[in-house]
Amino acid sequence: AQTVTQSQPEMSVQEAETVTLSCTYDTSESDYYLFWYKQPPSRQMILVIRQEAYKQQNATENRFSVNFQKAAKSFSLKISDSQLGDAAMYFCGIAGGTSYGKLTFGQGTILTVHP
Amino acid sequence: DSGVTQTPKHLITATGQRVTLRCSPRSGDLSVYWYQQSLDQGLQFLIQYYNGEERAKGNILERFSAQQFPDLHSELNLSSLELGDSALYFCASSAYMNTEAFFGQGTRLTVV
Repeated sequence: AQTVTQSQPEMSVQEAETVTLSCTYDTSESDYYLFWYKQPPSRQMILVIRQEAYKQQNATENRFSVNFQKAAKSFSLKISDSQLGDAAMYFCGIAGGTSYGKLTFGQGTILTVHP
Repeated sequence: DSGVTQTPKHLITATGQRVTLRCSPRSGDLSVYWYQQSLDQGLQFLIQYYNGEERAKGNILERFSAQQFPDLHSELNLSSLELGDSALYFCASSAYMNTEAFFGQGTRLTVV
């Protein structure tokens, strides 16, 4: 079984500033993948970034980066130079090694970006 | 646009009725996943099909069923609908089992 916990129901940030969203997880799988998805008001689920658990190097996608602490089972998302378009619900998810699309998600964090 | 198409976008129906939600995966994707997003349960995995065969089941009710057709599109059938079934239903697809999934826009189901 897998569980994901997002302890911050809501976060806010000023435009151009940096914000970090927290995520912790638990899994019995030795091989797994971690994801952050963004859900804007349009409801579309958009993949932001992914991390293979066997990789020690933290994943980075432009302004988005993760801090993956495997021993602590922590997977936080850092958004740098925040933009108004980053405002959305962010979901942290985990998938076992056999299927990337069979995801267990956390409850989500609503991110508000202030101009 | 993810390339995953879900129809209809909105559906309003009465309790006790049966509905069918349709998903067309991205071209060439073999795997389809169904998710339910509701206020009280969050975003939950329901079921996965790969090349026509059921591969994994999550918290899917017995009143719900799904299938994937030879042309790889999938349908989620919801029957004996209850008020609590009102939710956003997502379909996602991936090329294979071990590739990332892309989500459709979802179908908003309202049971009255």
